[in-house]
Amino acid sequence: DGGITQSPKYLFRKEGQNVTLSCEQNLNHDAMYWYRQDPGQGLRLIYYSQIVNDFQKGDIAEGYSVSREKKESFPLTVTSAQKNPTAFYLCASSIAQGITDTQYFGPGTRLTVL
Amino acid sequence: KQEVTQIPAALSVPEGENLVLNCSFTDSAIYNLQWFRQDPGKGLTSLLLIQSSQREQTSGRLNASLDKSSGRSTLYIAASQPGDSATYLCAVRTFTSGTYKYIFGTGTRLKVLA
Repeated sequence: DGGITQSPKYLFRKEGQNVTLSCEQNLNHDAMYWYRQDPGQGLRLIYYSQIVNDFQKGDIAEGYSVSREKKESFPLTVTSAQKNPTAFYLCASSIAQGITDTQYFGPGTRLTVL
Repeated sequence: KQEVTQIPAALSVPEGENLVLNCSFTDSAIYNLQWFRQDPGKGLTSLLLIQSSQREQTSGRLNASLDKSSGRSTLYIAASQPGDSATYLCAVRTFTSGTYKYIFGTGTRLKVLA
């Protein structure tokens, strides 16, 4: 089955720790995205990557970092610099970024800071 | 700055009722508008995508309309079923800060009562 997987489903972090969220896709898509979802707010773009070894900051990149060493993988690291990291994180992918860009979403990771 | 609003935030209807969900956006310079469904604790599933040159799109019991000039879109669900219970999000495709991106609304949480 083609799709996007995210792991873990739930993640707990202590204050001051860095954590990495996994996102893998087998759709052969060039573009991948990370969004953050908070209650009562729309999804907000953290980082995106249009091609391997290239990525760009989205609207709320501070306190986050990414890498894109392989086409199928786009891990997100939430660093200790992120002041309010508790949220639901969604990864998405699309064939390519452009005017019409149908994005396919993973099941999400819920991060809670203890 | 593009803003996307969805009203109401929550809606509860009896099974079998036809219903309309609303989405409004402040800047008519969009490339397309997409409606998504999100089940609790899950990722997003694309329902309908309307290009900026189109007025509506239909898929089964769903019909989405787009009026760019007034900054509005509606999602019509016919003969609602308990399985339609979910959060529905709309997103507009824009070009800002040198990149294409989706701006998401905050969603309407729908509950269809059996």
